Amino acid sequence: GAGVSQSPSNKVTEKGKDVELRCDPISGHTALYWYRQSLGQGLEFLIYFQGNSAPDKSGLPSDRFSAERTGGSVSTLTIQRTQQEDSAVYLCASSPNSGLAYTQYFGPGTRLTVL
Amino acid sequence: GQQVMQIPQYQHVQEGEDFTTYCNSSTTLSNIQWYKQRPGGHPVFLIQLVKSGEVKKQKRLTFQFGEAKKNSSLHITATQTTDVGTYFCAGPNAGNMLTFGGGTRLMVKP
Repeated sequence: GAGVSQSPSNKVTEKGKDVELRCDPISGHTALYWYRQSLGQGLEFLIYFQGNSAPDKSGLPSDRFSAERTGGSVSTLTIQRTQQEDSAVYLCASSPNSGLAYTQYFGPGTRLTVL
Repeated sequence: GQQVMQIPQYQHVQEGEDFTTYCNSSTTLSNIQWYKQRPGGHPVFLIQLVKSGEVKKQKRLTFQFGEAKKNSSLHITATQTTDVGTYFCAGPNAGNMLTFGGGTRLMVKP
């Protein structure tokens, strides 16, 4: 079946502009996660959605970052007034509510470059 | 909060040599998962270990879960260039999420 998809695959923007990154999780997966990965670094947790519960926003680095998940499916990560330090690959992952507990399936990521 | 540490951070090996990465958690884990990220790619789930002392094999890869369920290891026998990438371990935390280790980046010289 279809995996997690993300769009765009690459985004180049100018400092100060807003950007929106989209994630389509695997159908039926109730949990959705956003991570940030700088070049050669590990996975930095940003935000977590589980079903209809309030999202866990504890990883968002500043109030310029926000995310929504509409209808329990598609999610959008918005970065306002982008800064050069926001340049990174943004990864989305989804997880089923059953089976191998908490196993995450990652999308291909969006590479964001802020000039 | 829970911390998951991995060592080494980087490892260069000659093709054919063995490789091991170690994962240590500050708390007892219900399970440990391993992921592989190829250069330019995204993390891909490899395996999950659940039982204390569990050992699982996938071809040349051997995964172990410690008796105390706080540590784990991944051993690759006779590395190949296709093994290149970053290997992450991860364990569930109290918030029903995974805490990822920092990863071990494996480089293989042909």
